[in-house]
Amino acid sequence: DVKVTQSSRYLVKRTGEKVFLECVQDMDHENMFWYRQDPGLGLRLIYFSYDVKMKEKGDIPEGYSVSREKKERFSLILESASTNQTSMYLCASSRSGVTNVLTFGAGSRLTVL
Amino acid sequence: AQSVTQLDSQVPVFEEAPVELRCNYSSSVSVYLFWYVQYPNQGLQLLLKYLSGSTLVKGINGFEAEFNKSQTSFHLRKPSVHISDTAEYFCAVRGYSSASKIIFGSGTRLSIRP
Repeated sequence: DVKVTQSSRYLVKRTGEKVFLECVQDMDHENMFWYRQDPGLGLRLIYFSYDVKMKEKGDIPEGYSVSREKKERFSLILESASTNQTSMYLCASSRSGVTNVLTFGAGSRLTVL
Repeated sequence: AQSVTQLDSQVPVFEEAPVELRCNYSSSVSVYLFWYVQYPNQGLQLLLKYLSGSTLVKGINGFEAEFNKSQTSFHLRKPSVHISDTAEYFCAVRGYSSASKIIFGSGTRLSIRP
């Protein structure tokens, strides 16, 4: 069963901490994405990647960075976590091509105190 | 650029009743349309998609959606819902261009009453 795995389902961090959210896919997908999900706002794209070592800013990149050193792994980094980054973070992957659908991980719920 | 509007943030219905979840989009170019479902404590999964051809699209779990270009809508329907359909539903749109990104609506939470 193909899937996208997010390493942490629940995290609690303190303001100012550096946070790493890891995502691994086993489908050999070219594209990987990080979304943030907040009630009433739907999914907002933070960063995406079309290839190894390649990254593109999404709609809300401020306060985040990403790393894609290997095709299967896409990491989201919060350099200095803030309370307004408390949210659900969803990783997704897809094959290249505009008609290809996204496969999502189960999500990582981050609370910043 | 594209945008998606899901007017209903919550839709309560009784079990075995029909349901329609509304989705309207805005775009200056032709688009592909999707519905995703998120069950409690899970990620999103594809329910159905419209790429071309017949405007009535059938998806998983008995859901279907109709693409209406003149009204720029892609409403999701099911003739008889079950408790297991309790979830949040997201409409999404993407333009034909390879540079186009998928845009999600704000979601509609479907709650089923026994």
